[in-house]
Amino acid sequence: RKEVEQDPGPFNVPEGATVAFNCTYSNSASQSFFWYRQDCRKEPKLLMSVYSSGNEDGRFTAQLNRASQYISLLIRDSKLSDSATYLCVVIDSNSGYALNFGKGTSLLVTP
Amino acid sequence: GAGVSQSPRYKVAKRGQDVALRCDPISGHVSLFWYQQALGQGPEFLTYFQNEAQLDKSGLPSDRFFAERPEGSVSTLKIQRTQQEDSAVYLCASSYQYEQYFGPGTRLTVT
Repeated sequence: RKEVEQDPGPFNVPEGATVAFNCTYSNSASQSFFWYRQDCRKEPKLLMSVYSSGNEDGRFTAQLNRASQYISLLIRDSKLSDSATYLCVVIDSNSGYALNFGKGTSLLVTP
Repeated sequence: GAGVSQSPRYKVAKRGQDVALRCDPISGHVSLFWYQQALGQGPEFLTYFQNEAQLDKSGLPSDRFFAERPEGSVSTLKIQRTQQEDSAVYLCASSYQYEQYFGPGTRLTVT
């Protein structure tokens, strides 16, 4: 069983919609959490870190629920340019540095 | 400034050939990571360097995989006697503190 699980989607939403992705992780000792974005045939890029108190960056909101061991990403007012794969990432608690990636959730925003 | 660069961007190898993939990290980044991303999957950790020291090679899938970073800058990932299951994108990332910056990857196809 992978340490980080995500619904692969695809999520097809119209422009302007709100969409939410969830991710679960298995290691309760995990300390650091991130969302990365990966465009087709490109490298992953850090979208945002996820903090226990929740954090917002423009149209993007990330939340962490330690008790249930899940992480969420909410995208409001979707743009065509938001179409990408969103990767849930947890720092491996044994090493403290290796990134554990989920398989990614594919989002397609349509006109 | 210059990001992480990797070469070649694409490599086709016949089964049984040896390949060498190069990574040029961001100047001054102490930490360097290699990841393998199979089609439709998230990246999987392979190995980690701090300067020239390879501190973790637990993710290397077999002894056919070898990585080095002799002067603490450029790194090479070598795969001997390539197999079809080695076909993937090989991503290099470097970091100074906690954020890992990824290169564009080398897409390896073994025929």
